[in-house]
Amino acid sequence: EPEVTQTPSHQVTQMGQEVILRCVPISNHLYFYWYRQILGQKVEFLVSFYNNEISEKSEIFDDQFSVERPDGSNFTLKIRSTKLEDSAMYFCASSTDHDRFHFGNGTRLTVT
Amino acid sequence: AQSVTQLGSHVSVSEGALVLLRCNYSSSVPPYLFWYVQYPNQGLQLLLKYTSAATLVKGINGFEAEFKKSETSFHLTKPSAHMSDAAEYFCAVIANTGGFKTIFGAGTRLFVKA
Repeated sequence: EPEVTQTPSHQVTQMGQEVILRCVPISNHLYFYWYRQILGQKVEFLVSFYNNEISEKSEIFDDQFSVERPDGSNFTLKIRSTKLEDSAMYFCASSTDHDRFHFGNGTRLTVT
Repeated sequence: AQSVTQLGSHVSVSEGALVLLRCNYSSSVPPYLFWYVQYPNQGLQLLLKYTSAATLVKGINGFEAEFKKSETSFHLTKPSAHMSDAAEYFCAVIANTGGFKTIFGAGTRLFVKA
């Protein structure tokens, strides 16, 4: 079965540094998403992306965040200047429509 | 706006006992509902989903859930708990706000006692 793959599985960065989290969605999917889960908390929606633009974003997704689909296969989440509170598990997901969601295994981001 | 509420942040059962994890939803339109399981330090695995076909939905690992519109519920059950079922379980609903984002409940941690 096709999978959503995320790299790296774990990233450690220093506060103030830029990080790029990478995702390869399933090839025929049209909708792409990023979620985050702070340790011990619920999974929170960050952003959805469709037709090469953001279709929806949450209040968490401020100017420090950006997403991009640079080459038709990868889907990236960039955090420009990381803060300690950005430490979390970040999940990428893709879907064709409303009921065929696939989540990646996540990237654990640790900001020190 | 769509939302889900999971009753009980922690549930503890004995091995072999019935598992019941509660989820109530709020939706102004027919909802699409999901249960996900998350094992420690792992990603989200889909257990089952309701998309308006059958009200009783069977999933993986012996889990099932019943959609009850009158009660706005989508509780997850398993007749006999195994030690391997110990994990975090998330109920989720799709918000059809243009991008089909998934809204997760707060999660229920299931403990299974030997």
